[in-house]
Amino acid sequence: EAQVTQNPRYLITVTGKKLTVTCSQNMNHEYMSWYRQDPGLGLRQIYYSMNVEVTDKGDVPEGYKVSRKEKRNFPLILESPSPNQTSLYFCASSSIAGQSYTEAFFGQGTRLTVV
Amino acid sequence: DAKTTQPTSMDCAEGRAANLPCNHSTISGNEYVYWYRQIHSQGPQYIIHGLKNNETNEMASLIITEDRKSSTLILPHATLRDTAVYYCIVRVRDSWGKFQFGAGTQVVVTP
Repeated sequence: EAQVTQNPRYLITVTGKKLTVTCSQNMNHEYMSWYRQDPGLGLRQIYYSMNVEVTDKGDVPEGYKVSRKEKRNFPLILESPSPNQTSLYFCASSSIAGQSYTEAFFGQGTRLTVV
Repeated sequence: DAKTTQPTSMDCAEGRAANLPCNHSTISGNEYVYWYRQIHSQGPQYIIHGLKNNETNEMASLIITEDRKSSTLILPHATLRDTAVYYCIVRVRDSWGKFQFGAGTQVVVTP
């Protein structure tokens, strides 16, 4: 089954304690992306990656890092989490190869609380 | 990418067609119209996309006006499970950089 898997689904952590949210896709997609969703602000893109070792900032990259060492994985790293990073996070992937249409597949989300 | 305007919310009776409008008056010739939906805090789900012709799939139909300045997503027989926020997004198809969601339309399907 084609899917994007995020872990963990729920996480409560303390300010300053480094954490990583993993994202893995099994569709051999080139493109992967991270979003955060906050009430009243909608979905905002954090980082995206066009392929292995190619990443770029989205609209709200401050306080986050990403890496793309393998095609299937795109972890989101919070080096020093702060309460304003409490949010619902989504990972997404798409194929960008060829001329056919490509849709974005989203993970089920990670609800992060930083206290 | 062109900006879109959608109503904040809509109600629809179960079993009836739901017609969701989207205005994209600044759309350019190589920009596609995409529709996604998000069911309460789940990951967004792709519905349909189009360039200038009307499109239909198993989930919905997409009607794009001739001048491409607006479009309508049609859910032919709305069910309670169609209650969700629906996002209309306009972008160049192969521009896989920033991908921006607007506020969307909250659709509530009632029995």
